[in-house]
Parts: sequence; structure tokens; C-alpha cells
Amino acid sequence: SQKIEQNSEALNIQEGKTATLTCNYTNYSPAYLQWYRQDPGRGPVFLLLIRENEKEKRKERLKVTFDTTLKQSLFHITASQPADSATYLCALDMTTDSWGKLQFGAGTQVVVTP
Amino acid sequence: EAQVTQNPRYLITVTGKKLTVTCSQNMNHEYMSWYRQDPGLGLRQIYYSMNVEVTDKGDVPEGYKVSRKEKRNFPLILESPSPNQTSLYFCASSLSPGTGLNYGYTFGSGTRLTVV
Repeated sequence: SQKIEQNSEALNIQEGKTATLTCNYTNYSPAYLQWYRQDPGRGPVFLLLIRENEKEKRKERLKVTFDTTLKQSLFHITASQPADSATYLCALDMTTDSWGKLQFGAGTQVVVTP
Repeated sequence: EAQVTQNPRYLITVTGKKLTVTCSQNMNHEYMSWYRQDPGLGLRQIYYSMNVEVTDKGDVPEGYKVSRKEKRNFPLILESPSPNQTSLYFCASSLSPGTGLNYGYTFGSGTRLTVV
């Protein structure tokens, strides 16, 4: 099965800087790659989805890139704020015409200090 | 409000006593799924459903059952719970990607289950 690797060490960053998170996967490239935010004890919240034929996607201060050659996605939070402190999860779906078997990485915790 | 509702929020039960965790969504989503989350292991998929009467196993289905008799409901059944099923459980739902929208999964608030 697919192995999804996210940096297990917390990312400590100063307010206003850009946080960059990585998501690496093995084996075959997914049809969709998604990023979620999770706060302690709460359900993940969907942030962005990028398709295998897309290189980059943006939403407000968030940017996701997808490199199927490197088997990697980068997730950027620009002008970070303390409210961005949370755990960020990447998730991969393998199929192109349906979905359901969504697999998650273990997540990277981001801590933004004022 | 569009949401996924799980009940109960917290549950403590004894080994072997059958229980059901309910999940309901009001968004007319086709896809629904159950996950468990454990420290150090992340979210692992238990079962998923692509539509009514269509269910399939995820990565950790042992000890669990599901059913999808109606589009909005996807209950998780533990016929004989054991302590290793103590975990935080999440239900999620989504539209089909065929809609062309940039749509991910909507998750419920979670059910914290303790089996003693």
C-alpha cells in the first residue's frame, strides 16, 4: 500500500514568516492530493485539493504544489499567524473516477509564535 | 448548516458489549467513510461507502461492521468491542470528484470510545 511521509517534528515559526510543509509518498501517484488542518480533539478540516495534472493551487494565504516526478507535495502558509497553529495532514486518493480509499499522513504540527 | 453529525461524542463501554456509533450528513453526499485516529498512527480508514448499499473495507476493518441503507446515514457497529478498539473515531462524507469541484471530505466532530 501507499506510504505517506510527513515531517513528524513540529515546525516552529515566527509570525509573519512562511511555513513550508512536505508530503512525500511512495509507489504510484494519486489522482488527488488533499491538505487538511486539524486542531486537538477535533475533526480535520479540508483546505485544498490538487489534481495529478495540476502543478499548483492557491487559496488566500495557502499554496500547494504537486510534483509527481518527485512524488512530493509542498504546502505553504504565507504571512503566518498564531491562529494558523495546528496539525496539517496530507491525504491521497488513488483512483481517478471514484474515490473513497483516502489515506492520510501522520501530520505535521505547526506552531506560530508572535 | 451543512454538517456531519456523529453520536455519541464520548462513550465508555465494557468488552464484548455491542455498540453502534451513528453518523449522519445533510449534504446529500455520495461518499462516506469511517476513520480511527490513534497517537503516532494518524488517521486510518476503517470502511468506506461510495453510495447506498455499496461499502468496502479500508485499511483496518477487523472488528467493525458498517451499513449504508440510506444516503445520509452510515453507522459503525462494533459487535464485540475489545480494549484495542479504544480510539478517537471520525466519520466523513464527500461529493463525487466527478462534480469537478475542489471538494474534500467533511468530517464529524469525533467519537471518543473507551473499551474497558
